[in-house]
Amino acid sequence: NAGVMQNPRHLVRRRGQEARLRCSPMKGHSHVYWYRQLPEEGLKFMVYLQKENIIDESGMPKERFSAEFPKEGPSILRIQQVVRGDSAAYFCASSQDKTTAYGYTFGSGTRLTVV
Amino acid sequence: AQSVTQLGSHVSVSEGALVLLRCNYSSSVPPYLFWYVQYPNQGLQLLLKYTSAATLVKGINGFEAEFKKSETSFHLTKPSAHMSDAAEYFCAVSEGSSGDKLTFGTGTRLAVRP
Repeated sequence: NAGVMQNPRHLVRRRGQEARLRCSPMKGHSHVYWYRQLPEEGLKFMVYLQKENIIDESGMPKERFSAEFPKEGPSILRIQQVVRGDSAAYFCASSQDKTTAYGYTFGSGTRLTVV
Repeated sequence: AQSVTQLGSHVSVSEGALVLLRCNYSSSVPPYLFWYVQYPNQGLQLLLKYTSAATLVKGINGFEAEFKKSETSFHLTKPSAHMSDAAEYFCAVSEGSSGDKLTFGTGTRLAVRP
């Protein structure tokens, strides 16, 4: 039973390029969450999705960032026109239910470096 | 609104010594509380969680934490540190049964001296 799979593990982009981060939740999990970890900081919530729906995007920057979780395939976090400040580790988590009672299962993250 | 404060961004203990990592929270509703561990260049692994059952929660790798409502604390302890415990530890809170996202503290990096 594979855990939460994120790819790529490392991503290098030049300023102005697009970054696409993928997350496949655990089998049986239909709730996906994206968090961002800036250097020397804790994780900050970005967005919560269920299949084909964005439930809560209160932590997403207003511009350049978008997320989706289609009916088929992985969840995608897309960052357009990346800037140096987007350099961070992006973690995806999944759960079988809306509540946090089970605790999430986190992926190993994608470390984005913008040069 | 909810928040988490982890006192001490770096803690160093000797192998075999007691580990105590502090976490205080604020929440307007009864909270769920979590401790996660992160090894270098890896994701977060759930150590233990409090979801309104027993106030003393036992987790993996010999860690435990006690929920103290009067002190709004959820400190993480382990009686005897191992070298393999060296990692970063994050405390997190959610808004109980209605919460669908976690608010994390800034983390405590634990070093274990031989």
